[in-house]
Amino acid sequence: QLQLQESGPGLVKPSETLSLTCTVSGGSISTSSYYWAWIRQPPGKGLEWIGSSHYSGNTYHNPSLKSRVTISVDTSKNQLSLKLSSVTAADTAVYYCARHVGGEKYAFDMWGQGTMVTVSS
Amino acid sequence: DVVMTQSPLSLPVTLGQPASISCRSSQSLVYSDGNTYLNWFQQRPGQSPRRLIYKVSNRDSGVPDRFSGSGSGTDFTLKISRVEAEDVGIYYCMQGTHWPPKFGQGTKVEIK
Repeated sequence: QLQLQESGPGLVKPSETLSLTCTVSGGSISTSSYYWAWIRQPPGKGLEWIGSSHYSGNTYHNPSLKSRVTISVDTSKNQLSLKLSSVTAADTAVYYCARHVGGEKYAFDMWGQGTMVTVSS
Repeated sequence: DVVMTQSPLSLPVTLGQPASISCRSSQSLVYSDGNTYLNWFQQRPGQSPRRLIYKVSNRDSGVPDRFSGSGSGTDFTLKISRVEAEDVGIYYCMQGTHWPPKFGQGTKVEIK
């Protein structure tokens, strides 16, 4: 049974870089059919797609985050990573990793439990 | 970007009664391949989102048949035929047709 588990620091200082990891278990991150995504949810607010990556290296991110986002897949560790630079309080959110089938247009069918990240000095 | 607008934002419902959530997009969600990439997600309190419906009306495995999705073009609806206590949560529509993918604001379903 496929499981996604996010991990990383719960507290990040303003202007620093947020780094998170999503470990995929029960299946391979290198399956050609799937993309792996990061989605976030500020406290009490809605969901925002951050970006998606395929093990082949194809990666897409939300233009609203400009060039602050780096997403990558580490096939040797079966992990997805997220780096978000120059964070501010507006980046405080629960960060989820999720899976979607390539060609099905971001229909996220599996989600991790999420990890809360607070940006504060 | 496409704007997804849900209504109502809050929906108090009596147990056993039906519920309906509307989702409207600022552009048609029909993709060039003929499919409409509109999904519905449920987020129970304290949990991560779970996909209920994909491509307008396709129910995910394990989703009770009291949930149904319908619509076309720019207007979509999620219906719960008889609300149960476990249906409490926030429901989001999400379009994947136009890049970037966007979620609606969410509709909070609660029991009266």
